[in-house]
Amino acid sequence: EAGVAQSPRYKIIEKRQSVAFWCNPISGHATLYWYQQILGQGPKLLIQFQNNGVVDDSQLPKDRFSAERLKGVDSTLKIQPAKLEDSAVYLCASSLYREQETQYFGPGTRLLVL
Amino acid sequence: TQLLEQSPQFLSIQEGENLTVYCNSSSVFSSLQWYRQEPGEGPVLLVTVVTGGEVKKLKRLTFQFGDARKDSSLHITAAQPGDTGLYLCAGAGYGQNFVFGPGTRLSVLP
Repeated sequence: EAGVAQSPRYKIIEKRQSVAFWCNPISGHATLYWYQQILGQGPKLLIQFQNNGVVDDSQLPKDRFSAERLKGVDSTLKIQPAKLEDSAVYLCASSLYREQETQYFGPGTRLLVL
Repeated sequence: TQLLEQSPQFLSIQEGENLTVYCNSSSVFSSLQWYRQEPGEGPVLLVTVVTGGEVKKLKRLTFQFGDARKDSSLHITAAQPGDTGLYLCAGAGYGQNFVFGPGTRLSVLP
């Protein structure tokens, strides 16, 4: 069974530029999560999708971050414009149906904002 | 907002030693998970505990959930270099998403 796929693995941009990350969850998983993991910290939930609907985006900085999962399968997370403090690993995870089920994480995208 | 603390923040030990890491909160959790994250990879689930006082064993790893469901510990017996990584705990209230602690970074030297 293929795992959660993410791309790119690494990205370096300058502040005020925009960037997008892509995630393809495990086939059949209805729930998809985006997390931000800053160096030295645990992952922080940014947004949770159930199929193509948003369940929780309370910690998403909506002035600069956006995410979509149009067909209920893969998802993109965008930052526009990026700030220095956005430097982090962005992790995507999926679970079969709902929260509190086992989450399977992708390898993450490491973002450096200069 | 539920906050989790993990201790120690860093731990460096020799192969064959035993160790315990801790996860604490002032909040009560309906379930608590432990993950291991290796450099350049996403976290991988090790165990989920749901009952106060519950003890689960996974080979050389022993996980305990506190009686009050506010804390947990992970004990590793005879640590090996392959145990090196970031150990994260995550707790969830009833019907809520998991919140992660900051992790304990373990280094096991051969």
